[in-house]
Amino acid sequence: EPEVTQTPSHQVTQMGQEVILRCVPISNHLYFYWYRQILGQKVEFLVSFYNNEISEKSEIFDDQFSVERPDGSNFTLKIRSTKLEDSAMYFCASSDANREQYFGPGTRLTVT
Amino acid sequence: AQKVTQAQTEISVVEKEDVTLDCVYETRDTTYYLFWYKQPPSGELVFLIRRNSFDEQNEISGRYSWNFQKSTSSFNFTITASQVVDSAVYFCALSLSGGYQKVTFGTGTKLQVIP
Repeated sequence: EPEVTQTPSHQVTQMGQEVILRCVPISNHLYFYWYRQILGQKVEFLVSFYNNEISEKSEIFDDQFSVERPDGSNFTLKIRSTKLEDSAMYFCASSDANREQYFGPGTRLTVT
Repeated sequence: AQKVTQAQTEISVVEKEDVTLDCVYETRDTTYYLFWYKQPPSGELVFLIRRNSFDEQNEISGRYSWNFQKSTSSFNFTITASQVVDSAVYFCALSLSGGYQKVTFGTGTKLQVIP
């Protein structure tokens, strides 16, 4: 069964550093998403992406965040200058129109 | 805006007991989807079910069953004869239909099944 993959599974970075989280969505999907889950809290929507542009973003997704689909397979989330409060699990998801979103296993980001 | 409320923060049951996880949602749209996800301690989100707002039939899958009632905006999840492996955080979620649509999650219910 096709699945969404994410790398790395765990990323440790120092405050102020840039990080790039990588995702490989399911190959025939057209819609891509990033979500964030701070430890012990609910999963929160960050951004959706379709046709090479952002479709919707939440208030969390400020200028420090950006997304990109640099080639036909990868979908990345970049945080330019990480803060302690960016420590969280980041989930990538992909979907067809009107179908459920398939979530990746997540990348745990720890900012020290 | 959509909202999902899971009032039960934590539930503990003894193995083989039945347990129901409550979910109440809010949306002004008439077409939407409801979901349940399981998050085991390893952290991944495991998809359990998706329900279309037009389909109010209850669903059973093995020991799992779901009760969808539009009249009370509820989508409750029951585990029959609970097992230790059911211990996890369970999230109820909602999305609108059509093209891309973000999923709005509830705050989750942590279920602990005691052997």
